[in-house]
Amino acid sequence: GIQVEQSPPDLILQEGANSTLRCNFSDSVNNLQWFHQNPWGQLINLFYIPSGTKQNGRLSATTVATERYSLLYISSSQTTDSGVYFCAGSARGSTLGRLYFGRGTQLTVWP
Amino acid sequence: DAGITQSPRYKITETGRQVTLMCHQTWSHSYMFWYRQDLGHGLRLIYYSAAADITDKGEVPDGYVVSRSKTENFPLTLESATRSQTSVYFCASSESGGPYEQYFGPGTRLTVT
Repeated sequence: GIQVEQSPPDLILQEGANSTLRCNFSDSVNNLQWFHQNPWGQLINLFYIPSGTKQNGRLSATTVATERYSLLYISSSQTTDSGVYFCAGSARGSTLGRLYFGRGTQLTVWP
Repeated sequence: DAGITQSPRYKITETGRQVTLMCHQTWSHSYMFWYRQDLGHGLRLIYYSAAADITDKGEVPDGYVVSRSKTENFPLTLESATRSQTSVYFCASSESGGPYEQYFGPGTRLTVT
């Protein structure tokens, strides 16, 4: 299967700070997603981004498929951004689309 | 417009008992998945289904049974629960296989005592 490395594993910020989370894949993926797991445990879809750049409010993501990595940017962080951020992808050419997840980045935002 | 729902949200059961976790989606998505989330292992695929009456094993299928008689439902049964099956279980669905976005249910936290 695909190995997914996320960095950093933990991140502590003060409200208003910006941050960048990174996700590296061991092989090519064609279904790359970013999720936020909130304190209640729910997995919230942030981005479906197999390639290119997308923005949604204070969050944006960039995937460079040829180099097998993706970045998630959080600007002007808020306490509600706290939680665990996961990236996941499925193997290029897979007809199943089974997602391989990273271990996540635990983000804590202090007021 | 419920999307994808799971029930129960929390369950405590004893070793050896049979437990069924329910998953229901309203999008008529073809593909459905069961993952479990454990500390140190992240999310791992248990079973998946490509359509009604078509299911197959994922990475960690032992001790679990699935069925899919209707497109919208994908129940997961633990035939004889063990403590190692204490976990958070997520159901997911996607429009099709391959490069399609997956959407996750709220999860079921299962404790086996």
